[in-house]
Amino acid sequence: GIQVEQSPPDLILQEGANSTLRCNFSDSVNNLQWFHQNPWGQLINLFYIPSGTKQNGRLSATTVATERYSLLYISSSQTTDSGVYFCAVERGGGNKLTFGTGTQLKVEL
Amino acid sequence: NAGVMQNPRHLVRRRGQEARLRCSPMKGHSHVYWYRQLPEEGLKFMVYLQKENIIDESGMPKERFSAEFPKEGPSILRIQQVVRGDSAAYFCASSPIGGNGEQYFGPGTRLTVT
Repeated sequence: GIQVEQSPPDLILQEGANSTLRCNFSDSVNNLQWFHQNPWGQLINLFYIPSGTKQNGRLSATTVATERYSLLYISSSQTTDSGVYFCAVERGGGNKLTFGTGTQLKVEL
Repeated sequence: NAGVMQNPRHLVRRRGQEARLRCSPMKGHSHVYWYRQLPEEGLKFMVYLQKENIIDESGMPKERFSAEFPKEGPSILRIQQVVRGDSAAYFCASSPIGGNGEQYFGPGTRLTVT
């Protein structure tokens, strides 16, 4: 099956700092989504981005499908950004998402 | 438009009991997916259903687990004779027919087996 790797596995930031999270996948995909799992365990949809660039407030994402990676940018980080960020991909024909192992982010004051 | 709803949010069962987890998809969505997150692990696909049909159950354990999505009512994930290793967060997601494939997740049910 398709492999999804995320880096870095852990990240600690001071409030106000910027960061880039990376997602590499091993095959072509039809669907790529980024999620934030907050400290209460809820999964929040951030982006549906199989290709191209999108922005939503302090967050933006870019997927380069031909090179099989996606990046999530967080600017001016806040403590509420803490949690785990997951990338998930779907190859097509089956609709099931394959999740990466996540990046654990902690934003400190 | 209400999001994906799951209940209960927390469920405690003793070993050997049955667990029933419910998922109501977003309005207008006819595709339902179940995922499991074991402690300290990522999310793993379990099953994909449409109304009255199981489309893909390749991630379901072979025994004790079953899922349904009836014509009327919520999707149900049923775990018979639960064991401690079933303790996990179970997430449901939904997507619309004819959409781009984006899946929207519910808040999850946290199952604890004592």
